[in-house]
Amino acid sequence: AAGVIQSPRHLIKEKRETATLKCYPIPRHDTVYWYQQGPGQDPQFLISFYEKMQSDKGSIPDRFSAQQFSDYHSELNMSSLELGDSALYFCASSPALLARDSQGVTDTQYFGPGTRLTVL
Amino acid sequence: AQSVTQLGSHVSVSEGALVLLRCNYSSSVPPYLFWYVQYPNQGLQLLLKYTSAATLVKGINGFEAEFKKSETSFHLTKPSAHMSDAAEYFCAVSFPNDKIIFGKGTRLHILP
Repeated sequence: AAGVIQSPRHLIKEKRETATLKCYPIPRHDTVYWYQQGPGQDPQFLISFYEKMQSDKGSIPDRFSAQQFSDYHSELNMSSLELGDSALYFCASSPALLARDSQGVTDTQYFGPGTRLTVL
Repeated sequence: AQSVTQLGSHVSVSEGALVLLRCNYSSSVPPYLFWYVQYPNQGLQLLLKYTSAATLVKGINGFEAEFKKSETSFHLTKPSAHMSDAAEYFCAVSFPNDKIIFGKGTRLHILP
């Protein structure tokens, strides 16, 4: 079965540079979530999109922005990178509201493999 | 606001022994509860989820968890540990169509 695709898998940047992370959700999933996992930390919610509109916002720095496109893929844009931005960035997708699994749940989030960003 | 607390950042068990990873949640209404596993340098894999159906939830790789409302707990168990179970385990809470809030994680070590 198709899974969430994230690219690139690894990215090395210098301080003050910019980075763009991409997420391709599972087909027919219309909701995308972004999470950041620092070294030895639990994943922290950054931002989410539903039907190409921002649906929720967490602890996302103002230097970061994101959007969801007409094909439902999402991009996380990061500017003025800092050493502390080094982390694993996960994207997760969940099905459209009309799609339900065997337990009637619409919102199981399926995680991608992550993009490991290293800021030097 | 909902939250989860995982007791023990590191748990060590012998191969073949019972695995018990503890998780307590805090929420004003019964939430959805999840256990995720993360192997080194890999992504998050859903082990199991509770969504107000059966209180005893069976997941992949022989893991199961029981939702106990009176104790606000959702502990993860496996009768017999395998070396391949060594990983980081995250308990998480969410509401329908909402972000997931993760616990701090418990690293499971399997002793030969």
